[in-house]
Amino acid sequence: NAGVTQTPKFRVLKTGQSMTLLCAQDMNHEYMYWYRQDPGMGLRLIHYSVGEGTTAKGEVPDGYNVSRLKKQNFLLGLESAAPSQTSVYFCASSFPFEGSEQYFGPGTRLTVT
Amino acid sequence: GNSVTQMEGPVTLSEEAFLTINCTYTATGYPSLFWYVQYPGEGLQLLLKATKADDKGSNKGFEATYRKETTSFHLEKGSVQVSDSAVYFCALVTGSQGNLIFGKGTKLSVKP
Repeated sequence: NAGVTQTPKFRVLKTGQSMTLLCAQDMNHEYMYWYRQDPGMGLRLIHYSVGEGTTAKGEVPDGYNVSRLKKQNFLLGLESAAPSQTSVYFCASSFPFEGSEQYFGPGTRLTVT
Repeated sequence: GNSVTQMEGPVTLSEEAFLTINCTYTATGYPSLFWYVQYPGEGLQLLLKATKADDKGSNKGFEATYRKETTSFHLEKGSVQVSDSAVYFCALVTGSQGNLIFGKGTKLSVKP
């Protein structure tokens, strides 16, 4: 099993450009999450999904959109990138049980200039 | 709202020293508590967890006890190794949707 994979690993964007980050998991997990990690801030939840076709906002959703068309994939989109979106992005997935472990991908380092 | 506060780092220890990283939380209801570890250049991975009061989570020599009376979940290890150098995150989850709330992380460096 590959677990949780993220594509791409690194990306540099100019302000105003758009891009999509792809997360895939092969563990048949219902729940999927997108976090961003900034120095001194820990991880903050951007959006999450509790099942195929569903999405919901997390703590810091502004400037991002998501889609979950297939159970195994969770896409994070930036329509018009801003320097404040420079961060490391992590995807995670889990089973739908209280207290379940979240499994994290290796991260995508995004720089917006 | 729900929140997690953990001791700020960085923490630098010599090999075989005793480690404590403090973590306290504020939450409504009865949260599950976690410690995640992030090794350099990698994603997070679960170190240990506890889902109810007085539970002790343990893994790889690390331990943490869920203390409801002090709203704490301090991480301890009796003898650290160089390979334990990483960033440690305390986190909680409440409710059925599994949304983790993280502390800011504590960077641990262990010197030989």
